[in-house]
Amino acid sequence: ILNVEQSPQSLHVQEGDSTNFTCSFPSSNFYALHWYRWETAKSPEALFVMTLNGDEKKKGRISATLNTKEGYSYLYIKGSQPEDSATYLCASLFYNTDKLIFGTGTRLQVFP
Amino acid sequence: GAGVSQSPSNKVTEKGKDVELRCDPISGHTALYWYRQSLGQGLEFLIYFQGNSAPDKSGLPSDRFSAERTGGSVSTLTIQRTQQEDSAVYLCASSSNTGYNEQFFGPGTRLTVL
Repeated sequence: ILNVEQSPQSLHVQEGDSTNFTCSFPSSNFYALHWYRWETAKSPEALFVMTLNGDEKKKGRISATLNTKEGYSYLYIKGSQPEDSATYLCASLFYNTDKLIFGTGTRLQVFP
Repeated sequence: GAGVSQSPSNKVTEKGKDVELRCDPISGHTALYWYRQSLGQGLEFLIYFQGNSAPDKSGLPSDRFSAERTGGSVSTLTIQRTQQEDSAVYLCASSSNTGYNEQFFGPGTRLTVL
């Protein structure tokens, strides 16, 4: 069974704090890892697609790293702002499947 | 270009009635997915289409749920004899199945069963 897990389930931080959370996935047959941001009352939007071990992606204050050998990815937010409040979803694609397997998400709330 | 669209955006229905939710994927996208998010829950996979066929229906919660896709494009999710626990946001996503299967999501249909 392919299981993608995210931790923590929720996170509350103050504006200006930096934060990070984790996505864990089975390393065998790994093909790609997606991060999505899902704001309340909106649809999930893609942040990053990562494929190579050691890959790092950055978009503004948000960055992500990937370790395919041990099966995890970290998402970092530097200097969190209230507008970063959202649920962050990761999803993995494996060689032996043809659909993304989503984690349950990390719900981030940034207080001013 | 046009993204994924869903209709209606909101649907309120009475318990026991049937509802149909529609998804228009991005033109040319061969894969189409239905998910739902119940209150306080994560993203729950329902069904996946590749073209007009559904190789994975494993997420449909009961036989009251069915979906079809015609012409490799529009999909309809039907819920028969709705129950209160069916209340959720139903999301549709499409993918070109090239590269890394990035999914593009629609705005969702919020279903409320009274």
